[in-house]
Parts: sequence; structure tokens; C-alpha cells
Amino acid sequence: NAGVTQTPKFQVLKTGQSMTLQCAQDMNHEYMSWYRQDPGMGLRLIHYSVGAGITDQGEVPNGYNVSRSTTEDFPLRLLSAAPSQTSVYFCASSPSRRVGFSNQPQHFGDGTRLSIL
Amino acid sequence: GENVEQHPSTLSVQEGDSAVIKCTYSDSASNYFPWYKQELGKGPQLIIDIRSNVGEKKDQRIAVTLNKTAKHFSLHITETQPEDSAVYFCAASRTQFYFGTGTSLTVIP
Repeated sequence: NAGVTQTPKFQVLKTGQSMTLQCAQDMNHEYMSWYRQDPGMGLRLIHYSVGAGITDQGEVPNGYNVSRSTTEDFPLRLLSAAPSQTSVYFCASSPSRRVGFSNQPQHFGDGTRLSIL
Repeated sequence: GENVEQHPSTLSVQEGDSAVIKCTYSDSASNYFPWYKQELGKGPQLIIDIRSNVGEKKDQRIAVTLNKTAKHFSLHITETQPEDSAVYFCAASRTQFYFGTGTSLTVIP
């Protein structure tokens, strides 16, 4: 049982490049989310999904796309990277939404450290 | 949206002393308040949580208190140990999670 797995752990991009941050969980969790963590700003929600085929925007969605084709995977796409997207990105998951996904503990991956030059 | 404020941003205590971290929130409809511990290079890990129908919860050396009227909640760590040194985040949730800006706790041996 690996929990939440994020790849890659580190990445350096040039402005304008695109890339996909991968997130997979093996706990059969319905709720998955992406956060970015910047110094002095805590974690801010980018996008989230309450189940396969359903996604929604969080607090800071601009410049990011997501999709959820399976329960296990929730990739985050940067279509045209900008220096302002330099950050540490965390993926998290929670169990079934049937009892209210917002009221359950989230399990976090170890993050992807992204630098955009 | 929700606004969560966390204080202090840094905290140093002697080993064996207690540490207290406080958070306030703005949305009275928030009903779930978790606390996370983040070690260097790792993702946040849940250490304790509390729901709005409970005023206090304790798990060994860690306790959380919630005052819904004042809209604030606090983390209490007693008998601190060097391995408690980390960054701690509070969060408040109704439909989405909103995190505080973190407290860097250092326990001095």
C-alpha cells in the first residue's frame, strides 16, 4: 500500500514549456486534489475531483488543467509554464464522498518541486 | 471564501515544555478542522482533527480545542520532544480546505 505517489519529485522547466505532474493513489479514494505550497502562504487548492469524470476549480486554478479518467489517477497539467508557477505541488486524497468529502482527513504525497526559468 | 490565520509563524521551546499554536477562521459554516505536521522534504501528515460538534479532542501528548463562537481553534503539544520539530499547519473546511500559513516549531534539547 503506497498511499499517494507523485512523480516526478523534481523538475526544471523553461518558460512556455508544458508538462504533466502525475498523482496516483491506491486507497480507492474518491476525492483527490492538487495544492501548491509557496513560502509564507500555506497550501492553496488548485483543482479537485470528487470522483472519476468530475473535476472542479479551487482557489488558484488559472494556468492549470486536470482530468480524472480513473479513480486512481489525477494528473495536473501546465500548458505553458510561467515563472509564477515555481512552487512545490502536493496531491492529496480522501475516502468516499458519501459522508462528505470535506470532513475527512486528506492523505498527501511527498510533493513535486517545480522550478520554471 | 474562508480565511484562516495562524500564529505564531515560528516557535521555539525547550524540550519538555508545552507548545501552543492558534488559528482563527472567518466562515462560521466551516465544520472540520484538521492539523497537519510537515517534515522537511515530505508532504503534510494529519496529526489530529476536530469536528464542529466537539469542543476538545486529545491524543496522547497532542490536543486540539475549538471555540465556535470565537471562531478559533488551537493545537497543544505537551512534553515536547526534539522529534516534534517540524512545520505545523491548521486548516478549516466546509466544501474546500483552507490552510493557515504554518508554524515552524523548534524543540531545543
